[in-house]
Amino acid sequence: AQKVTQAQTEISVVEKEDVTLDCVYETRDTTYYLFWYKQPPSGELVFLIRRNSFDEQNEISGRYSWNFQKSTSSFNFTITASQVVDSAVYFCALGTGYSTLTFGKGTMLLVSP
Amino acid sequence: DTEVTQTPKHLVMGMTNKKSLKCEQHMGHRAMYWYKQKAKKPPELMFVYSYEKLSINESVPSRFSPECPNSSLLNLHLHALQPEDSALYLCASSQDTGLRDTEAFFGQGTRLTVV
Repeated sequence: AQKVTQAQTEISVVEKEDVTLDCVYETRDTTYYLFWYKQPPSGELVFLIRRNSFDEQNEISGRYSWNFQKSTSSFNFTITASQVVDSAVYFCALGTGYSTLTFGKGTMLLVSP
Repeated sequence: DTEVTQTPKHLVMGMTNKKSLKCEQHMGHRAMYWYKQKAKKPPELMFVYSYEKLSINESVPSRFSPECPNSSLLNLHLHALQPEDSALYLCASSQDTGLRDTEAFFGQGTRLTVV
């Protein structure tokens, strides 16, 4: 069975602070995919990144960076110099086999000016 | 065009009503999905269509009836819903149902209230 744990329910930061959102996953599959999605108040889920289990390279995209560590089954997401527009719920998700995604419960990020 | 368009954005319906949610994508994606999301919860998969055929039904009650008229359209027909069915209904699409080189694009959702 697949499981994704996002232990942080809500995080509040002040603009320009760095913030890390944690994601820990469980799966018995050797091939799997990890995702991060952003859900702003408008409701849609915005795809941020996909990582497959064979690629442990960390990735940076602008102010966003992701740290994938198979040894600890973690796929953490860091926002550098946070902005008010980063306020949203962020979901980590795990996909295996036939593409059904298992989502974590989400972390609500509040960035205040 | 990388959009998944859902209509309507908001819907209020009575328990005896019949209504439909619509989803459209023009990215040539062959897999389409319906998810249900309750407040402060993650999305839960309801149905998966692959090449216009229903491939996954996650034990969804029959009062929800999906339909895929063509590769660009996905409908969700609603009948005799209960108040607890009130939720955000999200449609998504992806290249196909394998995860290898795909990412799912989600629509903005239809916020459904059953009264």
